[in-house]
Amino acid sequence: EPEVTQTPSHQVTQMGQEVILRCVPISNHLYFYWYRQILGQKVEFLVSFYNNEISEKSEIFDDQFSVERPDGSNFTLKIRSTKLEDSAMYFCASHPMAGRRNIQYFGAGTRLSVL
Amino acid sequence: DAKTTQPPSMDCAEGRAANLPCNHSTISGNEYVYWYRQIHSQGPQYIIHGLKNNETNEMASLIITEDRKSSTLILPHATLRDTAVYYCIVRVGEGSQGNLIFGKGTKLSVKP
Repeated sequence: EPEVTQTPSHQVTQMGQEVILRCVPISNHLYFYWYRQILGQKVEFLVSFYNNEISEKSEIFDDQFSVERPDGSNFTLKIRSTKLEDSAMYFCASHPMAGRRNIQYFGAGTRLSVL
Repeated sequence: DAKTTQPPSMDCAEGRAANLPCNHSTISGNEYVYWYRQIHSQGPQYIIHGLKNNETNEMASLIITEDRKSSTLILPHATLRDTAVYYCIVRVGEGSQGNLIFGKGTKLSVKP
């Protein structure tokens, strides 16, 4: 069964450093998302991406964050200068084109630890 | 999207049916009820969704009341692997895109 793949599974970084979290969505999907979950808290939406541009973003997704689809398979989340409060699980999700059931498929996540 | 209310936690004996309730009294006519679950910090996993008719798939059944103000997710024979946080999410349109809004969900503990 096709799945969303995220790498790395765990990323440790120093405060102020840049990190790039990588995702390979399911191959025929066209809508991509990033969510995050701080330990013990709710899953929170960050950003959605379609047709090579951001379609929606939350208040959390400030200028420190950016997303990119550099090629036909990868979807990345970059945090420019990490803060302690960026420590969280980051989940990538994708779903098929509009008109199909709105079922988002999630990856296993990347645990980001900012020291 | 309409707000949902779920109990924070529930227990279920292994092999028994787990019935997880969800209240969504402000649901609109074009909003669907989706259920996802999250097993121990893994990525959320889709379970089932419906509009007004009851639905069943290989994972679960979804019972929606006639007035659509509440629903129940049924895991017919719960196993230890069903221990997870279950999220009831109400959102517009089966074919629309858009982010999912997760609440705190119900933490289901399946016990031997």
